[in-house]
Amino acid sequence: KAGVTQTPRYLIKTRGQQVTLSCSPISGHRSVSWYQQTPGQGLQFLFEYFSETQRNKGNFPGRFSGRQFSNSRSEMNVSTLELGDSALYLCASSIHNEQFFGPGTRLTVL
Amino acid sequence: AQRVTQPEKLLSVFKGAPVELKCNYSYSGSPELFWYVQYSRQRLQLLLRHISRESIKGFTADLNKGETSFHLKKPFAQEEDSAMYYCALASQGGSEKLVFGKGTKLTVNP
Repeated sequence: KAGVTQTPRYLIKTRGQQVTLSCSPISGHRSVSWYQQTPGQGLQFLFEYFSETQRNKGNFPGRFSGRQFSNSRSEMNVSTLELGDSALYLCASSIHNEQFFGPGTRLTVL
Repeated sequence: AQRVTQPEKLLSVFKGAPVELKCNYSYSGSPELFWYVQYSRQRLQLLLRHISRESIKGFTADLNKGETSFHLKKPFAQEEDSAMYYCALASQGGSEKLVFGKGTKLTVNP
């Protein structure tokens, strides 16, 4: 079975721009979670989608949003980028209480 | 609030020595705890969870509700155990919403 894939793997943006990251879960997995990883804060939960509905949300500002499509693929969007948004963004698909992580998208905001 | 604390950022042991990676949690309900591992240039992956009470790659972890701890142990460390280890707590949102500790980098020296 193919693992979780994330595109793009690397991204460079400037402050004020917006960005969209994509995540394709493992086939058959209906839940997709997103995390932000930074050296200072570690891994922090952003949100989780299940069957196209946001089921859980972390403590991030409204600039961070996401959605899930009928094929379970998910996207997250960050608008009005700030320098502090530079991070590795991980997505994970889950089944039977186990999360499978993707390789991440490294976002750099200049 | 849910919180996971891994007090050691770095841990270095010699091959064949016992290793213990500490994890303490703060949670008002019945916790569901996990250990995730990230080997160099690989994805974050589940190592074990307290519910299954398995031993994976020689590692075990016992949930101690009195001490609110979930320490990871291995009696004889191997060089291939060198990795980043994260303790995680499934919050009230379910296991798709994980609260992670900051991680411990384990180095096993030859």
